[in-house]
Amino acid sequence: QVTLRESGPALVKPTQTLTLTCTFSGFSLSTSEMCVSWIRQPPGKALEWLARIDWDDDKYYSTSLETRLTISKDTSENQVVLTMTNMDPVDTATYYCARTYCGGGTSRFDPWGQGTLVIVSS
Amino acid sequence: QSALTQPASVSGSPGQSITISCTGTSSDVGAYNYVSWYQQHPGKAPKLMIYDVSDRPSGVSNRFSGSKSGNTASLTISGLQAEDEADYYCSSYTGSSSLYVFGTGTKVTVL
Repeated sequence: QVTLRESGPALVKPTQTLTLTCTFSGFSLSTSEMCVSWIRQPPGKALEWLARIDWDDDKYYSTSLETRLTISKDTSENQVVLTMTNMDPVDTATYYCARTYCGGGTSRFDPWGQGTLVIVSS
Repeated sequence: QSALTQPASVSGSPGQSITISCTGTSSDVGAYNYVSWYQQHPGKAPKLMIYDVSDRPSGVSNRFSGSKSGNTASLTISGLQAEDEADYYCSSYTGSSSLYVFGTGTKVTVL
């Protein structure tokens, strides 16, 4: 059974750096064509893809946020970490991580973690 | 990368069929057969319903089906049931540096 779980602070102040951890089980990020993505959803709004890290450590970012995002992985710990700098109230959202099929003629996010709500406020 | 366009809401009576459209461009939906659909109940994480335009994961009801024509993908729910009431999002691979784009979301109401 594949599971993912996001963890991190529920509240951050404007200008601070957010660090989120995705801890997963049931698959390995050292397996070819396996990736993990971060996706967020502001309250009442649509989903937005943020970043992806691949089995071979390739990294991809949303062009609108790439200057603020860093994604990394610890394969031995089955964790993926996302940092976002200079947080602003508009970054208030539920942040999800999801296993991502990223090769072999297929592409999808499945499954997703439960999500973690991050509120940006002073 | 602009969001894919979906109708804000679609409704139907139990047993009916409904179709949700997802319109992109020749750079995303039209360029790749990598459109997926996600169901999201209130307060819950999204769940994969359709991937690679028309493939259905194991465990997902065959009442859900997907298709694509040009720059528009579609999700059809047949035999609508009360449990299908939820928000639905499409997503497409883009091949650009922003790898993926999501749709604006559609609220499905079962009358």
